[in-house]
Amino acid sequence: SAVISQKPSRDICQRGTSLTIQCQVDSQVTMMFWYRQQPGQSLTLIATANQGSEATYESGFVIDKFPISRPNLTFSTLTVSNMSPEDSSIYLCSVEVQDTANTGELFFGEGSRLTVL
Amino acid sequence: GQNIDQPTEMTATEGAIVQINCTYQTSGFNGLFWYQQHAGEAPTFLSYNVLDGLEEKGRFSSFLSRSKGYSYLLLKELQMKDSASYLCAADQTGANNLFFGTGTRLTVIP
Repeated sequence: SAVISQKPSRDICQRGTSLTIQCQVDSQVTMMFWYRQQPGQSLTLIATANQGSEATYESGFVIDKFPISRPNLTFSTLTVSNMSPEDSSIYLCSVEVQDTANTGELFFGEGSRLTVL
Repeated sequence: GQNIDQPTEMTATEGAIVQINCTYQTSGFNGLFWYQQHAGEAPTFLSYNVLDGLEEKGRFSSFLSRSKGYSYLLLKELQMKDSASYLCAADQTGANNLFFGTGTRLTVIP
């Protein structure tokens, strides 16, 4: 298993500003992901945070808007840049842990709820 | 393309049994996950099916038919605390991530 700490847990932001979300894992993990969960919707993958190289972004998400850092195997940050009200969402950090059957199970942080005014 | 369908909302009575269905279409398939998400909390893992058939884990069971692209989550002896969203997610071949459905919001009533 993995214990994930995310902060901030929630924030209210002004339009045009940027906010960085931190994700700390209690063990070294290879795969770390950032998801977005908009109100009433399911989880959408933003990007895979790669240690030592640039993040891999999904269609519809770009580095300029969502820069990601992954300086080591236990920590990552996601920045939401130049925010607009459409960015109001829950942002979740997730890690994949392989169990003894080599099944990749995802563990999630508790999320960062951003409201952009 | 890829698609996952599950009902948006369901209501069931405390002590009863409820089945939440999920159909999926993905380009390559490794297995299917079910996650539970209480309001305001992180999703938590419930089950993973890679082979056809039923996997039972306490009050929760999950079924998979790969040929039909179909899975269901069965919850028995429902409790009020089971009120949550249940997310079906496909593990896709060649992808690092899971593809999630929109979730089924289950409300358990007395």
